[in-house]
Amino acid sequence: EAGVTQSPTHLIKTRGQQATLRCSPISGHTSVYWYQQALGLGLQFLLWYDEGEERNRGNFPPRFSGRQFPNYSSELNVNALELEDSALYLCASSLLGASSYNSPLHFGNGTRLTVT
Amino acid sequence: DQQVKQNSPSLSVQEGRISILNCDYTNSMFDYFLWYKKYPAEGPTFLISISSIKDKNEDGRFTVFLNKSAKHLSLHIVPSQPGDSAVYFCAALGGGQNFVFGPGTRLSVLP
Repeated sequence: EAGVTQSPTHLIKTRGQQATLRCSPISGHTSVYWYQQALGLGLQFLLWYDEGEERNRGNFPPRFSGRQFPNYSSELNVNALELEDSALYLCASSLLGASSYNSPLHFGNGTRLTVT
Repeated sequence: DQQVKQNSPSLSVQEGRISILNCDYTNSMFDYFLWYKKYPAEGPTFLISISSIKDKNEDGRFTVFLNKSAKHLSLHIVPSQPGDSAVYFCAALGGGQNFVFGPGTRLSVLP
């Protein structure tokens, strides 16, 4: 069974540009989560999608947005990039939504975004 | 406001000894707790979880203990192996919130 896959592995952008990150969940998983891990920091919750709908978002500005497609894959968009957006962006999927237990998150290996 | 805390940024242990990683939480609505391990350049890997109806869960070398009254959980690794060297994240779920992660503890197992 394939795990969570993310693309691209690395992305280099300049300040003010837009970045698009992609994620394919484990087959059968309907929930997709996005987390940001800045250098030396923990995982900060960005967005949660389930069944194509945005269910919750973390404390990030509106220039962080995304969507979930009918096949449950997801896209994270970051507009007007700033230097502090440089981080590892992790996507995770789970079988059921956050209100369900015994359904841990399974992570991809992330996209390393560098903003210069 | 950090709802899940891991107060030790790093921990060093000799190979073969016990590693104990600690985690504290503040939200009494959390009722599902997980531990993840993360190697550099990889995503976190799920290790073990525990629900609030239990106080202990064991899986091979890994045991998680939950003390609800103290809002504290710990991960015990016995015996520790060099391959266990990684960053360990504690996470919590409940109260209508998404998975909340702690800042992580870097474990170094010395040969």
